[in-house]
Amino acid sequence: GAVVSQHPSRVICKSGTSVKIECRSLDFQATTMFWYRQFPKQSLMLMATSNEGSKATYEQGVEKDKFLINHASLTLSTLTVTSAHPEDSSFYICSASLTDRNTIYFGEGSWLTVV
Amino acid sequence: AQTVTQSQPEMSVQEAETVTLSCTYDTSENNYYLFWYKQPPSRQMILVIRQEAYKQQNATENRFSVNFQKAAKSFSLKISDSQLGDTAMYFCAFMKLTGNQFYFGTGTSLTVIP
Repeated sequence: GAVVSQHPSRVICKSGTSVKIECRSLDFQATTMFWYRQFPKQSLMLMATSNEGSKATYEQGVEKDKFLINHASLTLSTLTVTSAHPEDSSFYICSASLTDRNTIYFGEGSWLTVV
Repeated sequence: AQTVTQSQPEMSVQEAETVTLSCTYDTSENNYYLFWYKQPPSRQMILVIRQEAYKQQNATENRFSVNFQKAAKSFSLKISDSQLGDTAMYFCAFMKLTGNQFYFGTGTSLTVIP
C-alpha cells in the first residue's frame, strides 16, 4: 500500500479561492517533504522543500505567498494554493524520504482544476 | 545547478525486444544518485532503478539495467524483453547526496507494441 498519501486526489475550485492539498507519510516520520508540479505531458518541477517546524525553501520562480507550505508535524505537509487562478491548474505531487535518505516515496498526486 | 536531459521525447519497441532510453546530466557534484522513474497513466511515480555515482558497477533490476558513464555524465536505461506493461513515461532523475530533492529530465514516452 501507499506509504505517502495525498488528499484530495482531485479538486476543482473557483478562481480566487484557496485550496489545500495534504501530503501524509504513513508509518514513518518525514522531517523533509518535497512538492512538485507537473503540467500535462511535461516533467516534474520541484516547487519547494517542506521542512518540519521551519519555513519552506522555495525554488526560484515559485511564489511563496501564492503557494503556502506548512509542515506542522512529522507526518503531514500541506500545500495551499491561494487566490487560485486557472493557470494554477496542474498535477501536484509530494515526496518524502525515510531517515536513511535512501528510500524515497512519492504520493499519488493531486489534480487541481481552477475554473 | 543540476540539469537532466532526455533527448528522446517518444520511443516505441516491439514486445519482447530491447530498448534503450538515453539520459545525460550536468553537475559539479562528485557524489550523487541517479534514478529512473516510470510514470504510467495513473501518474503514480514508480522507481525503476537507482545508481549511486560512487559505485562503478552498473545497477540492474531484473529486466532493467543501466549504463552509467560518470565521466561522460550519461545514464541510459536498457529494458530487455519489453512487456506491454512497460508502456509509460520514463523520467531520469538526479539527486544530490545532501538532500532528497529530485531534478527530473523531460521524460521519454515509451510505447510497447504488441
